[in-house]
Amino acid sequence: ELKVEQNPLFLSMQEGKNYTIYCNYSTTSDRLYWYRQDPGKSLESLFVLLSNGAVKQEGRLMASLDTKARLSTLHITAAVHDLSATYFCAAVYSGGSNYKLTFGKGTLLTVNP
Amino acid sequence: EPEVTQTPSHQVTQMGQEVILRCVPISNHLYFYWYRQILGQKVEFLVSFYNNEISEKSEIFDDQFSVERPDGSNFTLKIRSTKLEDSAMYFCASSEGTVVSPLYNSPLHFGNGTRLTVT
Repeated sequence: ELKVEQNPLFLSMQEGKNYTIYCNYSTTSDRLYWYRQDPGKSLESLFVLLSNGAVKQEGRLMASLDTKARLSTLHITAAVHDLSATYFCAAVYSGGSNYKLTFGKGTLLTVNP
Repeated sequence: EPEVTQTPSHQVTQMGQEVILRCVPISNHLYFYWYRQILGQKVEFLVSFYNNEISEKSEIFDDQFSVERPDGSNFTLKIRSTKLEDSAMYFCASSEGTVVSPLYNSPLHFGNGTRLTVT
């Protein structure tokens, strides 16, 4: 069974600082997703990472994937208040049917002025 | 940009009642899903649907639950005889995918969710 662990689960940071959220998964996965969720809202797709070494960047967020270490990271550069949200990673088990995303518990990010 | 729409946004029902949650997936998407999120917890897969049949379901998706695509646009989740523990946010999602791999290179697009409260 695929398990996805995120850490930290809670992150309070100051504007302008950098930080990284980590996402570990337990078995072989051939793609990794990052989503953002604002309170009471839907899940917004941020990144889809398809291969080992994949790196994608959008604004102050950069995601990477290391399939050998079974690790994805979401790096936040010079945080701003608008980035406050919950961030989820999700993986698809490569030995399965490809229909199901398994989510981590999410990281609640609070960016303080 | 096309989006997944869900109705109602909030549904309150009494324990033992049946509810139907409705979704309109993105029009050219082939794969449809229901996920749920109990307050403050992680998002959990319920079921996936392709070509008018269930392609995968989780252990949560027992006989109490059913899905249907009654016409060319709607996708519904029915919960029979609701229980208190069914209270959650239910998200519908769709993906473009390919015949070989429903999730290949395409994220799931989620709706805004239906908050179900069972009293």
